[in-house]
Amino acid sequence: DVKVTQSSRYLVKRTGEKVFLECVQDMDHENMFWYRQDPGLGLRLIYFSYDVKMKEKGDIPEGYSVSREKKERFSLILESASTNQTSMYLCASSPTDRESYEQYFGPGTRLTVT
Amino acid sequence: GQNIDQPTEMTATEGAIVQINCTYQTSGFNGLFWYQQHAGEAPTFLSYNVLDGLEEKGRFSSFLSRSKGYSYLLLKELQMKDSASYLCAVKDSNYQLIWGAGTKLIIKP
Repeated sequence: DVKVTQSSRYLVKRTGEKVFLECVQDMDHENMFWYRQDPGLGLRLIYFSYDVKMKEKGDIPEGYSVSREKKERFSLILESASTNQTSMYLCASSPTDRESYEQYFGPGTRLTVT
Repeated sequence: GQNIDQPTEMTATEGAIVQINCTYQTSGFNGLFWYQQHAGEAPTFLSYNVLDGLEEKGRFSSFLSRSKGYSYLLLKELQMKDSASYLCAVKDSNYQLIWGAGTKLIIKP
């Protein structure tokens, strides 16, 4: 059974703190993604990675960075958390086949920044 | 710009049929996905269309018209467990997914 796990389901942080969100997949997928999901908006891509140590900016990378040191692990970092980063964060992975690949999602981390 | 439009919310009755529409305007087209997302949970894959026509999978079917920039998801024999949000996403010319805001489907007994 395919699985994407995220380090926390709920997280509360203070403004200015450094926040790490971790994602691990056990499907040997090359591609990994970080999204945020806010009410009334579609999923918005923050960063993605096609390979180890490789990263590409998505639509809203400002205020975030990522790290992919191992194929199975993709971390999202909020260098200095702000209240407008309160959101649901979803990690996803997919295989390399670019034609019809579906993305497999983790359960999400609901982050609250106070 | 790129845009995916879906109704915000729909209500249907258990046992009935419901059609959720999705229209899109994107830079290129390399396929359209439908995902289901129950409240507080991760999205899960339902269907993929890249050619025009209807794809049927059990109680769920998905239709695509590329010339009209239009798709719909058809759910038959509705069950209470079908209460969820349904997300439409289009893969653009860069093979990135552009997501709609989702349609919240409420099923009433």
